[in-house]
Amino acid sequence: AQSVTQPDIHITVSEGASLELRCNYSYGATPYLFWYVQSPGQGLQLLLKYFSGDTLVQGIKGFEAEFKRSQSSFNLRKPSVHWSDAAEYFCAVGANAGGTSYGKLTFGQGTILTVHP
Amino acid sequence: NAGVMQNPRHLVRRRGQEARLRCSPMKGHSHVYWYRQLPEEGLKFMVYLQKENIIDESGMPKERFSAEFPKEGPSILRIQQVVRGDSAAYFCASSSQDRGNEQFFGPGTRLTVL
Repeated sequence: AQSVTQPDIHITVSEGASLELRCNYSYGATPYLFWYVQSPGQGLQLLLKYFSGDTLVQGIKGFEAEFKRSQSSFNLRKPSVHWSDAAEYFCAVGANAGGTSYGKLTFGQGTILTVHP
Repeated sequence: NAGVMQNPRHLVRRRGQEARLRCSPMKGHSHVYWYRQLPEEGLKFMVYLQKENIIDESGMPKERFSAEFPKEGPSILRIQQVVRGDSAAYFCASSSQDRGNEQFFGPGTRLTVL
């Protein structure tokens, strides 16, 4: 069974500082990996995704993530955080069933990001 | 192109009543997924449907919960005889047939059971 661990429940950074949110997954093959962001009372917005190919993926709002198979990780990074980035971030893994459409996503517990001015 | 739509956005029910949550997928999307987010927790998969078919309901509680996605109209998640533990945010997501894992989420329905 697939699983996702986000070790940090809450992270606080200063505006302008760099950011790294950790995500570790468990899956028997190469997974589909996602990062979503959720603002309070809102739905989830997709930041970026990894399906295959280049292990460093670029997303929206200046975010990037790197897939490291040897570490079973997919950490999210941003070089300079803005106050508007304060939100909750979710890492998710989807089954890669040989290319067939199978949509169940397994989410981590989430990391709440607070940004200090 | 409108996104995934869910209604109502907020729903209050008393214990024992029924809750009906609706989800209209993005235009052109034929796959719908329901997830539940309990307070202080991440999202948990409930059910995956295509038009007129339930593909995977492994995350759905065995009793009181049901889901459908008819040929016409929105997908419905139905909770009968609600209990306080059903209070949560329920999110719907949709995807197109050829991008099965790229899901777009609706704003959610926040269910409160009194």
